[in-house]
Amino acid sequence: EEELVQSGAEVKKPGESLRISCKTSGYMFIDYWIGWVRQRPGKGLEWMGIIYPADSETKYSPSFEGQITISADKSTATAFLEWSSLKASDTATYYCARHRLGLGIDNWGQGTLLTVSS
Amino acid sequence: DIQMTQSPSSMSASVGDTVTISCRASQAISSWLAWYQKKPGKAPKALIFAASNLQSGVPSRFSGSGSGTDFTLTIRSLQPDDFATYYCQQTDSLPYTFGQGTKLEIK
Repeated sequence: EEELVQSGAEVKKPGESLRISCKTSGYMFIDYWIGWVRQRPGKGLEWMGIIYPADSETKYSPSFEGQITISADKSTATAFLEWSSLKASDTATYYCARHRLGLGIDNWGQGTLLTVSS
Repeated sequence: DIQMTQSPSSMSASVGDTVTISCRASQAISSWLAWYQKKPGKAPKALIFAASNLQSGVPSRFSGSGSGTDFTLTIRSLQPDDFATYYCQQTDSLPYTFGQGTKLEIK
């Protein structure tokens, strides 16, 4: 079974750094783009960016470029989303999502809730 | 970026009804459109890709149509499990933007 399993909920303070993970299984990790989608409380879905694990090519939404880093580890079939300095406005649930370019997302992680508060 | 606009933002319907949700792109995207179902506290679920193709395991009461800038998601014979928020997403060009969502509530 193809699965994307994300790391657990986090509570952080503004200014702290964080990396959350998405461990995949059941399919060839390097064959698909994988990315991240944000959902702030009570709001809609926002596409953040994607990475192609085979060569680490990364594409970001302009809304998130410079604010986050997406990476992938082929050896563990895991994708990551990282912040160097969190803000309260980063409070949201983050979903990892397997992409097929042109066809959208066909598989989702269960979500990681991030709360940033002083 | 391509802007996606869904209508209505919310609607109510009864079990057994047929409902249609619209999605409009700010520029032509051919058939590069996907639909997702989202329930509170759950991960989104992929329903349709390339405007009209059902993802594996999605019931046939869901259907999608459209091309260019105007698209629709139709749900026939609504079931209790179908009450959720639905999002369209253009997959024509990066960033793959979502519509703002349509909340389908039970009447």
